[in-house]
Order: sequence, then C-alpha cells, then structure tokens
Amino acid sequence: DQQVKQNSPSLSVQEGRISILNCDYTNSMFDYFLWYKKYPAEGPTFLISISSIKDKNEDGRFTVFLNKSAKHLSLHIVPSQPGDSAVYFCAASARNNNDMRFGAGTRLTVKP
Amino acid sequence: ETGVTQTPRHLVMGMTNKKSLKCEQHLGHNAMYWYKQSAKKPLELMFVYSLEERVENNSVPSRFSPECPNSSHLFLHLHTLQPEDSALYLCASSRLTGASSYNSPLHFGNGTRLTVT
Repeated sequence: DQQVKQNSPSLSVQEGRISILNCDYTNSMFDYFLWYKKYPAEGPTFLISISSIKDKNEDGRFTVFLNKSAKHLSLHIVPSQPGDSAVYFCAASARNNNDMRFGAGTRLTVKP
Repeated sequence: ETGVTQTPRHLVMGMTNKKSLKCEQHLGHNAMYWYKQSAKKPLELMFVYSLEERVENNSVPSRFSPECPNSSHLFLHLHTLQPEDSALYLCASSRLTGASSYNSPLHFGNGTRLTVT
C-alpha cells in the first residue's frame, strides 16, 4: 500500500519562478514529514521537515506547508534556480517509528 | 562526503553468485537502514537496525540477509538473486532520540546500483 503519494512525476519551471511540489498521504498516524532532494548518482539528501504541530516551516528559499485535514503537504521553492533541478521525494513517519514511507518522487527541471 | 559510505557503487552479478554490499556511517548515529529503489517506484524499506538489533524486516525474501556488527557498519549479503532484484540499494542512518521524540532525518549513502543477470 502506498501511503505517501506524489502524483506528478515531473515538473518544469522557469528560473526565478516558483516551484510547487505536492504530496498526499493516507495514514493519519503520520506526524513528521520531510522532503529529500536527489541528484543523479547520489543518495537522497535531507532538505526540510515539518512536524504536525505546525502548518508551515521555512528555510531560505524552501517552505513546506502542511494541511492535516486534507492530508496534504507541499514544498515551495522561490525563486527557483537551475541547480534545484533534481528529483524531490516526500517522506512521512509516525513518532518513534522506524518505518519512514517515501513517495515515488517528482523530477523538477528549472530552465534558465 | 555524505557521512554514509556505500561500496561498491556498481555491482553486476549472476543469479548463482554470492556478494555483499557494505555501508559505513561516520555520523555517530545509532540506527541504520537498507532501502531499495526500483525504477519509478517509492523507496522501499527493507531492514532497520536500532542499536545493532534488527527491529524491522518488511517481508524481504531470504535471499537478502542483513548484518550489523556494530553501530557504524551494515552489510547486505546477497545470494541466488533474481533479475527483478536489480535496483539501487541505499543505506541510511539516523539518530534515535527517545520514545517521545521525533527521529532525526535519515542520512543516505550514494547507493549501490545492482544488476542481476
């Protein structure tokens, strides 16, 4: 069962514009959400996280929004840069649970 | 330098071979993980070791055998694999912070690209 879903396999945006990556989850026990970024031939690297007690977390150009009632989170990148081109994975887990579930990823391409 | 090192980076093996994947973390973490990434699929958790004890085994076939001799090293022993086992195998580590706390984010290695012929 796929408890974390990223329905857009790819996204293309122009440099300087906003990139919005979306993620939906089904397990109401999830209370910790993360975004990872993956370049080719490298492992995923942690980007930003949010706990369920918040609805927004911001770190520089990256902001994650959480809508618990809709079981939806999104990652906003603004302004987008060509170096942001990568695959972005959404992940979720429950407190003190070792089983972190990942989405299938969204490939972001930022065009100069 | 990711802090989590995996070897080899690439591995091609026949279905009758026995090989091992190695992972080493230099971050002082106390939990280690094996994930499998197949094309266009989510990362699948295979095994979790917490404080060197296996705490999770997600219905992984017995042809995959993990070993965690200490908190810094993790192995995945492979034998009689099938072509459908070809995938990217990722090792990760994290710091477990206690029963009432969130786990820290996973730190991944660069993976081993495995091809079974």
